[in-house]
Amino acid sequence: KAGVTQTPRYLIKTRGQQVTLSCSPISGHRSVSWYQQTPGQGLQFLFEYFSETQRNKGNFPGRFSGRQFSNSRSEMNVSTLELGDSALYLCASSLTSGSRIDTQYFGPGTRLTVL
Amino acid sequence: KNEVEQSPQNLTAQEGEFITINCSYSVGISALHWLQQHPGGGIVSLFMLSSGKKKHGRLIATINIQEKHSSLHITASHPRDSAVYICAVRSENFGNEKLTFGTGTRLTIIP
Repeated sequence: KAGVTQTPRYLIKTRGQQVTLSCSPISGHRSVSWYQQTPGQGLQFLFEYFSETQRNKGNFPGRFSGRQFSNSRSEMNVSTLELGDSALYLCASSLTSGSRIDTQYFGPGTRLTVL
Repeated sequence: KNEVEQSPQNLTAQEGEFITINCSYSVGISALHWLQQHPGGGIVSLFMLSSGKKKHGRLIATINIQEKHSSLHITASHPRDSAVYICAVRSENFGNEKLTFGTGTRLTIIP
């Protein structure tokens, strides 16, 4: 079974631009979670989608948004990019959502650089 | 003070040693996760705990809900165990669940 895939793997943008990242979960998984990892803040939870609905969200500003499609693929969008948005963005998929999640399977991440 | 604290931050040990990594948290949780991140960024989910103890191969994870503390143990450590180990707690607030991560423990096993 194919693992979680993320595209693109690397991205360079300039301040003020917007960016869309894509995540394809493992076949059959209905939950996709997004995380940001930076050297300064470590791993931080962005949001979780299950069956096309945002179920949970972290403490990020409204510039960070996402959506999930009927095939469980998910996209994350960041508008009006700031230098501090430079990070590794990881998505993870699982069969269930929230506190019922036993195992999450992580993708390789998209490394975003904002200049 | 961070909601999730890990110790030690760095740990270097000889191959074969017994390893313990600790995680303390300050909020009520529904679950605690242990993750492993290898150089290059790949993350693997090791355990999810809500009580008691779990074992998988040479890895053992325990949690004490009353003391708000969890430990990850590695028996007969091997150089391939070298990685960053991250603790994450799942908590709920007004129906919104979130994961909060520790800063990680960098483990290096010397042959």
